Amino acid sequence: NAGVTQTPKFRILKIGQSMTLQCTQDMNHNYMYWYRQDPGMGLKLIYYSVGAGITDKGEVPNGYNVSRSTTEDFPLRLELAAPSQTSVYFCASSRQPQETQYFGPGTRLLVL
Amino acid sequence: AQSVSQHNHHVILSEAASLELGCNYSYGGTVNLFWYVQYPGQHLQLLLKYFSGDPLVKGIKGFEAEFIKSKFSFNLRKPSVQWSDTAEYFCAVKSNQAGTALIFGKGTTLSVSS
Repeated sequence: NAGVTQTPKFRILKIGQSMTLQCTQDMNHNYMYWYRQDPGMGLKLIYYSVGAGITDKGEVPNGYNVSRSTTEDFPLRLELAAPSQTSVYFCASSRQPQETQYFGPGTRLLVL
Repeated sequence: AQSVSQHNHHVILSEAASLELGCNYSYGGTVNLFWYVQYPGQHLQLLLKYFSGDPLVKGIKGFEAEFIKSKFSFNLRKPSVQWSDTAEYFCAVKSNQAGTALIFGKGTTLSVSS
């Protein structure tokens, strides 16, 4: 049982490039979340999903897209990378809304 | 909108000192509260949580937190810190919207010297 896994661990992008951050959980959780963590700012919600095929925006969705074709996977897409997207990205999941969220190890992204 | 505020940005303690990290939340209804810890280079881990019942919650590694509804507070405590407690600590409340995602405070960095 690996929990929540994320790839890659670290990536450098040039402005305007695109990439997909991968997130997979093997706990059969319905709820999945993407957060970004900026220094001194805590974590902010980007997108979330309450089940396969259902996604919705969080607090800071601009510049990102998500999909949820399976229960296990919740990829985050950056279409046109900007320096403001330099951050650490965390994926999380929970079985039910009232249960603990489990976090992945994070992806550190640097946009230059 | 719901929000969480953590009073201390950086706390520096010696080993064996007592710890209290402040956390206040804004929402006055039913709340689910959490403390997460992030050790250097690691991902967030749950320390403890409060959903209902006894307002004094005990978590892992000797941490506890007290929910005081009248003060909108959920402060984290530990009687005697260790060097290994050096980490960043986040208080969070479960959103009453947004798929019950978590709303985080800005975090408190704890540095413990041996």
